[in-house]
Amino acid sequence: DQQVKQNSPSLSVQEGRISILNCDYTNSMFDYFLWYKKYPAEGPTFLISISSIKDKNEDGRFTVFLNKSAKHLSLHIVPSQPGDSAVYFCAASAPGNTDKLIFGTGTRLQVFP
Amino acid sequence: NAGVTQTPKFRILKIGQSMTLQCTQDMNHNYMYWYRQDPGMGLKLIYYSVGAGITDKGEVPNGYNVSRSTTEDFPLRLELAAPSQTSVYFCASNAQGNEKLFFGSGTQLSVL
Repeated sequence: DQQVKQNSPSLSVQEGRISILNCDYTNSMFDYFLWYKKYPAEGPTFLISISSIKDKNEDGRFTVFLNKSAKHLSLHIVPSQPGDSAVYFCAASAPGNTDKLIFGTGTRLQVFP
Repeated sequence: NAGVTQTPKFRILKIGQSMTLQCTQDMNHNYMYWYRQDPGMGLKLIYYSVGAGITDKGEVPNGYNVSRSTTEDFPLRLELAAPSQTSVYFCASNAQGNEKLFFGSGTQLSVL
């Protein structure tokens, strides 16, 4: 049972345009969400997070939106750059299980010139 | 600033062999984790530790063992390697359970 789902395995976006990566979850107990970015042959690196008490968190070109009623979050990258080409994982945790992140399957973003 | 260091980066094992994946961190983090990533799948938690001397099972612990004798080191042991353990293994750490994870660069393991 996949509690965190990223239904788009890949996304291709032109440089300068907006990239929108989506993530859905099934466990209503999740209250903390994170996005990680992974380049080939490297470990994932933390990108941005959001708590369930917020519906938006912004950090430079990256914004995460949380829609609790729809159990959906999205990562917006504006403007997209070629260096953003990577695999993006969303992850979630529940209270009392903050040391057990549940990861989605990832979305491969390619930003072309 | 080494962060989380994993060795080896690549390894090929024969069925039934054993090996230890090494992980060390220099950030004085209490929490350490082992994840595996299979092709097209997300990261699955194998084992984790909230401090020296304390370990606990994650989502997919079968076939693995861990120990945590020091804050810095968290080795993962495969006793009888099986083809189903072919995967990329990531070690990670953080200061507390609800903080962002710092990952190592991974170990690509093939069991043939």
